[in-house]
Amino acid sequence: AQSVTQPDIHITVSEGASLELRCNYSYGATPYLFWYVQSPGQGLQLLLKYFSGDTLVQGIKGFEAEFKRSQSSFNLRKPSVHWSDAAEYFCAVGASGGGADGLTFGKGTHLIIQP
Amino acid sequence: SQTIHQWPATLVQPVGSPLSLECTVEGTSNPNLYWYRQAAGRGLQLLFYSVGIGQISSEVPQNLSASRPQDRQFILSSKKLLLSDSGFYLCAWTTGTNQYFGAGTRLSVL
Repeated sequence: AQSVTQPDIHITVSEGASLELRCNYSYGATPYLFWYVQSPGQGLQLLLKYFSGDTLVQGIKGFEAEFKRSQSSFNLRKPSVHWSDAAEYFCAVGASGGGADGLTFGKGTHLIIQP
Repeated sequence: SQTIHQWPATLVQPVGSPLSLECTVEGTSNPNLYWYRQAAGRGLQLLFYSVGIGQISSEVPQNLSASRPQDRQFILSSKKLLLSDSGFYLCAWTTGTNQYFGAGTRLSVL
């Protein structure tokens, strides 16, 4: 069965500092990987995705993520965070972008930005 | 462009009352549709998905049911709500690689 682990429940970062959110997955085949962001009381917005090809993917809002097959990881990074980045971040894995089976999500990482 | 509508945004219901949450998608046809639940302090759990009208797959046995009476309409229901049904319910759709989410319904069962 597929699973996603986000080991950090909360992360606090100073505004302007760099950010890395960790994600590890377990999947029997080539995974399709996603990062979503959820602002308080809102739905989920897709930040970026990896299907194949270049293992470093660029997303919206200045985020990027690197797929490392050997480590079963798909960590999210941003060089310099802004106060508006405070939100809940979810990593997800799926068979084909959701396909017919939906996505499996991690439990999320709550990002707090200090002034 | 495609949009997804989900309502109501917030709902407070007593234990034992019925539930009906509706989700509609515009700008696409024959989407795969999904209901997820996000309980407090937890990630998202897939509840139901549908690949077509009248076709519903349930991922987790529970007090809820889903129906798809039209191509772009997906309904989540319960005959009698339990306290444990409280949470944030998200509808999503996909026609290929990306999965898009509605704004969610926050359900409080008291």
